[in-house]
Amino acid sequence: DQQVKQNSPSLSVQEGRISILNCDYTNSMFDYFLWYKKYPAEGPTFLISISSIKDKNEDGRFTVFLNKSAKHLSLHIVPSQPGDSAVYFCAVNYGGSQGNLIFGKGTKLSVKP
Amino acid sequence: SQTIHQWPATLVQPVGSPLSLECTVEGTSNPNLYWYRQAAGRGLQLLFYSIGIDQISSEVPQNLSASRPQDRQFILSSKKLLLSDSGFYLCAWSVAGQGRGSYGYTFGSGTRLTVV
Repeated sequence: DQQVKQNSPSLSVQEGRISILNCDYTNSMFDYFLWYKKYPAEGPTFLISISSIKDKNEDGRFTVFLNKSAKHLSLHIVPSQPGDSAVYFCAVNYGGSQGNLIFGKGTKLSVKP
Repeated sequence: SQTIHQWPATLVQPVGSPLSLECTVEGTSNPNLYWYRQAAGRGLQLLFYSIGIDQISSEVPQNLSASRPQDRQFILSSKKLLLSDSGFYLCAWSVAGQGRGSYGYTFGSGTRLTVV
């Protein structure tokens, strides 16, 4: 059973508008949440993260919101740019000394000019 | 600064042939190392992780194996490839004991493996 779910496989947004990518998780013990961005034929790159002690973290055009009661995480990109077109993976850290991450299946964002 | 190298970038192999993918990390010591696979239409699946030389843990049973002969070298292997082994393979590293930190992992550029 998936512990991290990204229910929208794709999202299309007009340039300049807001992109909202969603992620749900099952385990309330997860304490660190991350978003990665991946272009085709490249490895994912870290984008932004949030600790479970916070409900919002902002970095430029990117903001991550955490709703612990709903076990829901979202990434807002505003304004969206064509260069933001990529696959976005939500990931949670399930702890241990190795700090393994569990990834969602990803959402492919297309920002149209 | 730390860098991670992964090769080859693309590989086409016949069914039943062996596989060896290599990953090396520079600029850090005793990293945690990981192999992930992204299969078509699926997310990133953790295959193996290692917290030290010759210390390998497997997350899923499969046709693949991993080895860590040196501190900053991680190798993914198979004796006989299956069609289902096709996918995009990613190596990653994290600071030992700090994978849960704010930056998670640093990924290599990946290997696109096609088994024909």
